[in-house]
Amino acid sequence: SQQGEEDPQALSIQEGENATMNCSYKTSINNLQWYRQNSGRGLVHLILIRSNEREKHSGRLRVTLDTSKKSSSLLITASRAADTASYFCATRDPGDYKLSFGAGTTVTVRA
Amino acid sequence: DGGITQSPKYLFRKEGQNVTLSCEQNLNHDAMYWYRQDPGQGLRLIYYSQIVNDFQKGDIAEGYSVSREKKESFPLTVTSAQKNPTAFYLCASSAPGNGGNTIYFGEGSWLTVV
Repeated sequence: SQQGEEDPQALSIQEGENATMNCSYKTSINNLQWYRQNSGRGLVHLILIRSNEREKHSGRLRVTLDTSKKSSSLLITASRAADTASYFCATRDPGDYKLSFGAGTTVTVRA
Repeated sequence: DGGITQSPKYLFRKEGQNVTLSCEQNLNHDAMYWYRQDPGQGLRLIYYSQIVNDFQKGDIAEGYSVSREKKESFPLTVTSAQKNPTAFYLCASSAPGNGGNTIYFGEGSWLTVV
């Protein structure tokens, strides 16, 4: 099964700055999802973008999807210390039931 | 509150022992999943079940077994055949047909071989 690949692996920013991370995948998808994981906890769903959508917003989150480049980006604006976490993209192949996750981007927001 | 409960949070296994991780959900979801996460790594799918009494192998099923006798329960047994079981295990569920298969996760179980 295909797996998204996040870039960068790690990101350190100052509180108030924006954080951008990218996800690339290999084959066509129905949708792409972003999840967040605080250290030692379960994952929490952040946002889903469908293959026919190009951009989606949720609060301070902005997700873009470029199916021609097979890539997505997650932007967190005006970051806070509480945004410190790992962020994962997940994809599902058409006709497949399960989600495949990348290795994640670890974001550290310095106060 | 609705959610997914995993237990125990921490578990220690001796070499050669089988251990079972519990996963219960009260979200009335049909589909349930088990993922394994190694430090600094992404999630790898062990087993998943779309409906009661049915389950499929994921990408790393060797050394693991599951059952799905009830809709709300999906226990994972880590057998002695799993040579490197130390990891963080995550159970999840989803409702098919919700327009995107958003997955809801439990808080995870840490398994350590001693």
